Amino acid sequence: NAGVTQTPKFQVLKTGQSMTLQCAQDMNHNSMYWYRQDPGMGLRLIYYSASEGTTDKGEVPNGYNVSRLNKREFSLRLESAAPSQTSVYFCASSSTSGGVGNEQFFGPGTRLTVL
Amino acid sequence: QKEVEQNSGPLSVPEGAIASLNCTYSDRGSQSFFWYRQYSGKSPELIMFIYSNGDKEDGRFTAQLNKASQYVSLLIRDSQPSDSATYLCAVRSNYQLIWGAGTKLIIKP
Repeated sequence: NAGVTQTPKFQVLKTGQSMTLQCAQDMNHNSMYWYRQDPGMGLRLIYYSASEGTTDKGEVPNGYNVSRLNKREFSLRLESAAPSQTSVYFCASSSTSGGVGNEQFFGPGTRLTVL
Repeated sequence: QKEVEQNSGPLSVPEGAIASLNCTYSDRGSQSFFWYRQYSGKSPELIMFIYSNGDKEDGRFTAQLNKASQYVSLLIRDSQPSDSATYLCAVRSNYQLIWGAGTKLIIKP
């Protein structure tokens, strides 16, 4: 039982390059999330998927796209990377997106640098 | 804009003492509150969560809610050096968690 896995762990891009961050969970969770974490700031939600087949924008969606490939996998794509997207990216999952309680479980993160 | 505020610290506490961490939130309708711990270079991990109907104790950790003043506290008793980390407060608002920036806690041996 691996929980939430993310690939790659580290990535360096040049401005304008594209890449896809991969996330998978084996907890049979319905909801998945992509966050970015910058120094001195809280986790900021980029996109989330309340259930398979649905995706919604979070607080900072500009410059990103997502795909909920199936119940297990949720990918984040940067079409044209910018230095402002240098950050640590975390994927998380939870059993559902609503209701009381309902904690989120996090992957190990991807450290992305855009030059 | 719904917000969660935390003192960034660092908060320095002697080993064996009680560490007290606080966070304030703006959404009066929130009913679920979470405390996560994040070690440097690692991902956040859940310590505990509480509902709007009461406090909760789990081992050395106690989470308390003051709805009238809109703040949540985390108490860590008998603090250990391994408790040194950044503690993130999160508050459920609709279908999302709103996160504080975290308080860095340092336990001094």
